[in-house]
Amino acid sequence: NAGVTQTPKFRVLKTGQSMTLLCAQDMNHEYMYWYRQDPGMGLRLIHYSVGEGTTAKGEVPDGYNVSRLKKQNFLLGLESAAPSQTSVYFCASSYRRTEAFFGQGTRLTVV
Amino acid sequence: GENVEQHPSTLSVQEGDSAVIKCTYSDSASNYFPWYKQELGKGPQLIIDIRSNVGEKKDQRIAVTLNKTAKHFSLHITETQPEDSAVYFCAASTWGGGADGLTFGKGTHLIIQP
Repeated sequence: NAGVTQTPKFRVLKTGQSMTLLCAQDMNHEYMYWYRQDPGMGLRLIHYSVGEGTTAKGEVPDGYNVSRLKKQNFLLGLESAAPSQTSVYFCASSYRRTEAFFGQGTRLTVV
Repeated sequence: GENVEQHPSTLSVQEGDSAVIKCTYSDSASNYFPWYKQELGKGPQLIIDIRSNVGEKKDQRIAVTLNKTAKHFSLHITETQPEDSAVYFCAASTWGGGADGLTFGKGTHLIIQP
């Protein structure tokens, strides 16, 4: 029972490079979320999806794009990475608005 | 939008004592209040949650209380143990309407002293 799986777990990018973070869940959840966690800031919502083919902006969406082509996958893209995007990224999923299950996180450093 | 304030940022207690973490929220429409525990290098994990139609909920050594009038809710951990050491986050959201996703507090680092 994998739950929520994020890949990669660690990544170092140079400023201006692009990358995609993958989140996969095997619980058949409708809702999926991407959060970023910075020291002293808690977790902040970047984008979310309420079902396959849908996406919506959260609190801090600038500089990120997302796609939900399949119900089990939620992709977070950085088109041109900036040092301010250095953070730990967490994906989560939930059955509608019930308990959110989180992945193990992706530690991204932009140099 | 919703704003969640969490205090204290760090809490150190002796093993066996109780720990209390407090949160306030701003949006009176919020009606779902979960608490998450995050251990080092891991993702947050739900430990207890409460909905606005309930004032208190218990699960073994942990309990959560909610005061909707004052817009605050608290996490209580009794008989603390070393494995309770972690970062705890409170959160709030609107059940059944409004913006999706949880609004989190900034976290409390709980340290259990042996």
